[in-house]
Amino acid sequence: DVKVTQSSRYLVKRTGEKVFLECVQDMDHENMFWYRQDPGLGLRLIYFSYDVKMKEKGDIPEGYSVSREKKERFSLILESASTNQTSMYLCASGQPGGSGGENIQYFGAGTRLSVL
Amino acid sequence: GQQLNQSPQSMFIQEGEDVSMNCTSSSIFNTWLWYKQDPGEGPVLLIALYKAGELTSNGRLTAQFGITRKDSFLNISASIPSDVGIYFCAGQRRGSQGNLIFGKGTKLSVKP
Repeated sequence: DVKVTQSSRYLVKRTGEKVFLECVQDMDHENMFWYRQDPGLGLRLIYFSYDVKMKEKGDIPEGYSVSREKKERFSLILESASTNQTSMYLCASGQPGGSGGENIQYFGAGTRLSVL
Repeated sequence: GQQLNQSPQSMFIQEGEDVSMNCTSSSIFNTWLWYKQDPGEGPVLLIALYKAGELTSNGRLTAQFGITRKDSFLNISASIPSDVGIYFCAGQRRGSQGNLIFGKGTKLSVKP
């Protein structure tokens, strides 16, 4: 079974803190994604990565950065946390089309972040 | 970014009833996926569809890839309390390198 592990289920941080959310996948997937999920807004893509050291902006990248130094690990960084970044953060991994299991993204359990 | 139109937003049904939800888009997709999210958890894949007209079942769940390639539906037969959760559709357009577009979800509540 595919496993996507997010390092924390719950986090509470202060405004202005630098926050790291870690995600690890064990299926050698090339693609990894970070989303945030808010009531009524669904899943919104923050950043994604197709390969090690590669990153692409999603729909809402402002206030976030990412790091992918190893294939299995994709980190989301909040440079200076703000209260409007309080949300559920979901990491996903998957293979690109044409490589089997086309386009399926496998999700972690999520990190519920509260910024006070 | 673009989002799919998923309806209904929420459903309150009696145990044993059948459920139907759908997603539509103005764009053509070459993949449709249906996920379920339990409270406090991440989405879990239920069904994947890759061909126009394809009808696929997974237990009491049945999903279809619309022949226009712009829509999909999910049916749940004889609902049970553990069907409670949020159901998401997701679609992928040709050439988008694995990025998915998600619906906003259908929240299902089941009364015993």
